[in-house]
Amino acid sequence: DVKVTQSSRYLVKRTGEKVFLECVQDMDHENMFWYRQDPGLGLRLIYFSYDVKMKEKGDIPEGYSVSREKKERFSLILESASTNQTSMYLCASSLGGGLEQYFGPGTRLTVT
Amino acid sequence: GENVEQHPSTLSVQEGDSAVIKCTYSDSASNYFPWYKQELGKRPQLIIDIRSNVGEKKDQRIAVTLNKTAKHFSLHITETQPEDSAVYFCAALGSYIPTFGRGTSLIVHP
Repeated sequence: DVKVTQSSRYLVKRTGEKVFLECVQDMDHENMFWYRQDPGLGLRLIYFSYDVKMKEKGDIPEGYSVSREKKERFSLILESASTNQTSMYLCASSLGGGLEQYFGPGTRLTVT
Repeated sequence: GENVEQHPSTLSVQEGDSAVIKCTYSDSASNYFPWYKQELGKRPQLIIDIRSNVGEKKDQRIAVTLNKTAKHFSLHITETQPEDSAVYFCAALGSYIPTFGRGTSLIVHP
């Protein structure tokens, strides 16, 4: 079974802090994704990576950056957290384009 | 870019009834249409998918239909059970990046 793990289930940070969310997959998947999930807004793509050190902006990249130094790990960085970044963050991976995505359990981030 | 509209946002049914969730997409190049189920507090998981060369696909109580001309696809759940209660997301992909609908909260009353 594909396993996608995220570093924290719950996180509370203060405004202005730098926040790191980590995602690890164990199935040698090429593609990794970071989404933000808010009630009524569905899953919105923040960033996407199709290979090591490669990244593409999604629909809502402002205020976020990403890092993919190793194939299995994809990190989401909030350079200076703000209250409007309070949300559920979901990581996902897939073997290739047009294939099933496997999601991590999510990190609920609260910025106070 | 792709735009996916999903309706309804909430669907309430009695146990044993059928449920239908509909999605429309805008990009005619999209060729893969998955459906994900997210139970409360859990991660989304794929329940069924369909590719553009197929009009219908069925797996036990769930089925998906695709109309490429009209650019819409639907999820059908028959004989609903309380454990079908969840949020369902449709998505459309042309290449690497899926575009998701906003989700449908399905509530099945015993």
